[in-house]
Amino acid sequence: DTGVSQNPRHKITKRGQNVTFRCDPISEHNRLYWYRQTLGQGPEFLTYFQNEAQLEKSRLLSDRFSAERPKGSFSTLEIQRTEQGDSAMYLCASSPPLENTNGYTFGSGTRLTVV
Amino acid sequence: RKEVEQDPGPFNVPEGATVAFNCTYSNSASQSFFWYRQDCRKEPKLLMSVYSSGNEDGRFTAQLNRASQYISLLIRDSKLSDSATYLCVVNLFTGGGNKLTFGTGTQLKVEL
Repeated sequence: DTGVSQNPRHKITKRGQNVTFRCDPISEHNRLYWYRQTLGQGPEFLTYFQNEAQLEKSRLLSDRFSAERPKGSFSTLEIQRTEQGDSAMYLCASSPPLENTNGYTFGSGTRLTVV
Repeated sequence: RKEVEQDPGPFNVPEGATVAFNCTYSNSASQSFFWYRQDCRKEPKLLMSVYSSGNEDGRFTAQLNRASQYISLLIRDSKLSDSATYLCVVNLFTGGGNKLTFGTGTQLKVEL
């Protein structure tokens, strides 16, 4: 499978716990993006990596959120001290190293439920 | 004002109908434009890019008006399988790289 892979697919956690999600992009894609999507809304940008460098972070990404891409391949998104408002679908996408690329390829997402 | 605005719908249409979705964007520096399709509880998937000259892919026609900052999608002879949410997407090169900004999506329900 050469698509974008995310795991876990679903995560249910108690409020206050930490969670970590993983994204494996398409291998030749050097750009990796994290988005969050809540019901009835479009995906909202969280952060972006080019290779291992995190180049942009949204204001949505509070201090409880951290993302890494240590070797420029897979990425992790960690949420500390989860809150009910963190419940959402977390989407990862990747794109090749071209400007005005023809869109991203998304993974299937990780659906987080904080109870 | 949202960066990308769409009518959320739902648009309920009979099979075979023609339906049009519109979208406006606020940043005139936006460089490329797309329509994505999202099925319920699935990830968004690229439907088509949008060009100023207008472009067509089978039953789907997309149009961009840069002067009005307006994007449209026309679906002809709609099928039951077209039922989904259609996301208007704008790409802006920010210096650090490309960033896609999504509208809230327009829900389409095609009925028998």
